Amino acid sequence: AQSVTQLDSQVPVFEEAPVELRCNYSSSVSVYLFWYVQYPNQGLQLLLKYLSGSTLVKGINGFEAEFNKSQTSFHLRKPSVHISDTAEYFCAVSDLVTTDSWGKLQFGAGTQVVVTP
Amino acid sequence: DTEVTQTPKHLVMGMTNKKSLKCEQHMGHRAMYWYKQKAKKPPELMFVYSYEKLSINESVPSRFSPECPNSSLLNLHLHALQPEDSALYLCASSQDRGFGGLGYGYTFGSGTRLTVV
Repeated sequence: AQSVTQLDSQVPVFEEAPVELRCNYSSSVSVYLFWYVQYPNQGLQLLLKYLSGSTLVKGINGFEAEFNKSQTSFHLRKPSVHISDTAEYFCAVSDLVTTDSWGKLQFGAGTQVVVTP
Repeated sequence: DTEVTQTPKHLVMGMTNKKSLKCEQHMGHRAMYWYKQKAKKPPELMFVYSYEKLSINESVPSRFSPECPNSSLLNLHLHALQPEDSALYLCASSQDRGFGGLGYGYTFGSGTRLTVV
């Protein structure tokens, strides 16, 4: 079984400042890792994903994330945020090995990013 | 077409009513999912359909009844719900459940906000 921990429930940040959202996971098997964003009253949109290969992953809207296997982390960063980045961000993992679990996404609790001028 | 369309967007129903939520995608995805999301919480998986067959039921009460009539359509039939079932119901799809398909990530719909009175 996997678990996902998002270490910050809320992150206030000023416009044009950098932001980092922390995500740690635990799993005994290989996993896919994802970051999703949810704007108010909307569904979830995929920001980026890590499957294999380069540990630095670039996504949409200027976001990037770094996979660190030794620390079992997948932190999300953006060098300069905009007001429009105010949203809930979810880290998620999916088991690649256990066929009964294929397709399941295990989400972290979410991090609310609030960008102010 | 790269969208998952959910209808209705909002639904208010009494505890004795029967209603249905509808989800449609035309991306050729062969895995479709229902998630439930309570306020300020991450989505929780309810059902997974793979090639129109129910693959995963996360011990969901029988008052929720999923149906996948064809590869593009997913329904969730609701009957005798309780007020605690009020939530945002999200539909999602992926190319398939497995290693290759899930690597492209899910596409989520905007959800149906359900209120049970």
